Amino acid sequence: EPEVTQTPSHQVTQMGQEVILRCVPISNHLYFYWYRQILGQKVEFLVSFYNNEISEKSEIFDDQFSVERPDGSNFTLKIRSTKLEDSAMYFCAPLEGDTQYFGPGTRLTVL
Amino acid sequence: DQQVKQNSPSLSVQEGRISILNCDYTNSMFDHFLWYKKYPAEGPTFLISISSIKDKNEDGRFTVFLNKSAKHLSLHIVPSQPGDSAVYFCAASSNFGNEKLTFGTGTRLTIIP
Repeated sequence: EPEVTQTPSHQVTQMGQEVILRCVPISNHLYFYWYRQILGQKVEFLVSFYNNEISEKSEIFDDQFSVERPDGSNFTLKIRSTKLEDSAMYFCAPLEGDTQYFGPGTRLTVL
Repeated sequence: DQQVKQNSPSLSVQEGRISILNCDYTNSMFDHFLWYKKYPAEGPTFLISISSIKDKNEDGRFTVFLNKSAKHLSLHIVPSQPGDSAVYFCAASSNFGNEKLTFGTGTRLTIIP
């Protein structure tokens, strides 16, 4: 099971501000996913990343969202102008074998 | 569009007995199914998976059964322990795990000592 860390663990921001959520897998992974969970709801897919390119994105992943692998090991999820409804837990998940292993998550609170 | 459904939002089981969590799906393209356990404010923890070429997979106290004709899978935990109390999510994907996961709404399992 890969060891995945996410920073920050909790981010509080004002509506309209930009946030960057980071994920560090210890090992290199070709497939990488971002999900989110709004409080009390199910886990929802945001975007998948394969070989340094977006391979699929959901309806949630609009123009305000972007994802990058800036230095070959870190993955970032950027929300350019946060909205109240972006408040959620955000999880990254590398694929190892046929299993996605989730990081501990970043709790994003938009005020 | 609920492609993966967990119809029981909660379940209480006596310690030592069997816990059975159920999951139904509608998308015939799903060929890989996983169960995750989740605590509040933590990431989902992978428990066990099964691909559509099998009908049963076992790992210690956890067994997953897949009934493709009924589009139904279940997770059996035996014997149930207090540490098993958590929310359990069923998830499904296609392309044998290389695609996005579609999650169910979860079942909160409470093990009664």
